[in-house]
Amino acid sequence: AQTVTQSQPEMSVQEAETVTLSCTYDTSENNYYLFWYKQPPSRQMILVIRQEAYKQQNATENRFSVNFQKAAKSFSLKISDSQLGDTAMYFCAFMKRSFGNEKLTFGTGTRLTIIP
Amino acid sequence: DAGVTQSPTHLIKTRGQQVTLRCSPISGHKSVSWYQQVLGQGPQFIFQYYEKEERGRGNFPDRFSARQFPNYSSELNVNALLLGDSALYLCASSLLGDTQYFGPGTRLTVL
Repeated sequence: AQTVTQSQPEMSVQEAETVTLSCTYDTSENNYYLFWYKQPPSRQMILVIRQEAYKQQNATENRFSVNFQKAAKSFSLKISDSQLGDTAMYFCAFMKRSFGNEKLTFGTGTRLTIIP
Repeated sequence: DAGVTQSPTHLIKTRGQQVTLRCSPISGHKSVSWYQQVLGQGPQFIFQYYEKEERGRGNFPDRFSARQFPNYSSELNVNALLLGDSALYLCASSLLGDTQYFGPGTRLTVL
């Protein structure tokens, strides 16, 4: 079974600063995806970024980038030039790459507050 | 393109009742998954359906059931509701083996 750990329950940062959210995971699988999802107060879960385990290059999406360390089973999210709209719960998630039974395993989340 | 839709938005039931939640996937997505998110926790996997067949089941009691229709929409049913079933129920759709996109959720309150 896979486990995902987010060790930072809450974080806060000034607007326009950079913040890094941590995530570690445990799996015996070799082919998988890792995700960061954002859940604002509206409660809708929104995809932030995806990383495929077989790709060595770290994924980036505009102000969001990841540091994927496969051997260390670490997957951190960096948010640059943080904005007030980034205030949300952030969940790290793991999914085994398969065609069928593709459940997401989530961490407990990090509550991020951007301070004006 | 429309995203994943869920209905109803909110629901209040009493213990022992039954509830049906509905989900319509993104057009072209044939896989639908259901998750339960209790307040303060990450979502927990309940079911995955693909082409009307159950492809995965999480660690939930038999009171939870689901089905998928020919148009790929899905229903989640919960019988004999308990107070502990109060949660946000999330539906996600995807292409098989690909990223899951979530709907806005149904908030279920059991009194």
